[in-house]
Amino acid sequence: DIQMTQSPSSLSASVGDRVTITCRASQGISNSLAWYQQKPGKAPKLLLYAASRLESGVPSRFSGSGSGTDYTLTISSLQPEDFATYYCQQYYSTLWTFGQGTKVEIK
Amino acid sequence: EVQLVESGGGLVQPGGSLRLSCAASGFTFSSYWMHWVRQAPGKGLVWVSRINSDGSSTSYADSVKGRFTISRDNAKNTLYLQMNSLRAEDTAVYYCARESIAAGGVRYWGQGTLVTVSS
Repeated sequence: DIQMTQSPSSLSASVGDRVTITCRASQGISNSLAWYQQKPGKAPKLLLYAASRLESGVPSRFSGSGSGTDYTLTISSLQPEDFATYYCQQYYSTLWTFGQGTKVEIK
Repeated sequence: EVQLVESGGGLVQPGGSLRLSCAASGFTFSSYWMHWVRQAPGKGLVWVSRINSDGSSTSYADSVKGRFTISRDNAKNTLYLQMNSLRAEDTAVYYCARESIAAGGVRYWGQGTLVTVSS
């Protein structure tokens, strides 16, 4: 199975900060990577797919990059509604795997 | 409007069984691969199982293989997860999810149903 290692597990940031979350796959996944945002008690929300393609309706302050095994989610200017938990997920394999999650908290 | 509505969760004793259902509407259910993803209280997302569009192919996470069975009834637009030999560590919110065809990942999720395994 492909393992996804996400870091950091949590971070504290202020409104307006630039935030970066990384995800490393245990083998190459050819950009078959999605990023999700999840708020307490809610289902995850798709932010990006194919590593860098923004889902319709998602603000442009969210961006993704990477290739091979290493991928990054960047929030260019953190907004109050962005405080949540973020997950990466590979779909290169039919056996999907998620990263452990990154909780973004208010500093 | 795409809707996925899970049901069937509840409290069950260790070793017991439960069947979850996911009623789909607003799209051509028979065209999409479907998945179950779970989330233990306070923990992260964990993929559980997937089934292809016609039900002929399935896959499972190692943690549930041999105990859980995913199936679908395309005539009823419903996805199922039969869970047997339940353990305390199976306690979680279970989400059904529709795999995107053209894009990747999951655009549509159900609201989740809570399964609690406890004596």
